[in-house]
Amino acid sequence: QKEVEQNSGPLSVPEGAIASLNCTYSDRGSQSFFWYRQYSGKSPELIMSIYSNGDKEDGRFTAQLNKASQYVSLLIRDSQPSDSATYLCAVNRPGGFKTIFGAGTRLFVKA
Amino acid sequence: EAQVTQNPRYLITVTGKKLTVTCSQNMNHEYMSWYRQDPGLGLRQIYYSMNVEVTDKGDVPEGYKVSRKEKRNFPLILESPSPNQTSLYFCASTRSGGPGNTIYFGEGSWLTVV
Repeated sequence: QKEVEQNSGPLSVPEGAIASLNCTYSDRGSQSFFWYRQYSGKSPELIMSIYSNGDKEDGRFTAQLNKASQYVSLLIRDSQPSDSATYLCAVNRPGGFKTIFGAGTRLFVKA
Repeated sequence: EAQVTQNPRYLITVTGKKLTVTCSQNMNHEYMSWYRQDPGLGLRQIYYSMNVEVTDKGDVPEGYKVSRKEKRNFPLILESPSPNQTSLYFCASTRSGGPGNTIYFGEGSWLTVV
């Protein structure tokens, strides 16, 4: 079992729809959770971080964390073609010194 | 401007020919690391450093070396590259390794070993 698992996709949604990206992790002691966006051939960039159970909203993005079920999700409202990218889920191991990345989910937003 | 700079960006080399990928950050961050990214496997940590002269293995350290003689620089050394080290490499830095700190990535180095 991978430490951080994501559906590789691709996930295809029409412009204006809600895109829902999911991630599960195996280490119950994990403390911090991140979503990075990576455009093809570019480096990852942080879009959301979340540390406690519940929802965290930032513009069109909402991160959701459920530690009991060990999953974290990212919702993108009003999806735009510019949101087409690979989204990487990342989790800090207990102790906080190492970040483990999922393999990423490719998102396509169709105009 | 906050930056992580790595060089070269693109390199084709032959099996066994030693190479070094340089990495430099201008944010005075203590924590630096190297990742490789392969299709279907995501980003995997090769080595990390918590400060000058303090380095440790990540999840896939075999075939790589690093050094941290200065806070700003963290070169990745492939003593005898092999084709299975063909990959996209990212250098990264954070202010500290603790939870909640943003990882800043370099632009990536595409390495092909033939």
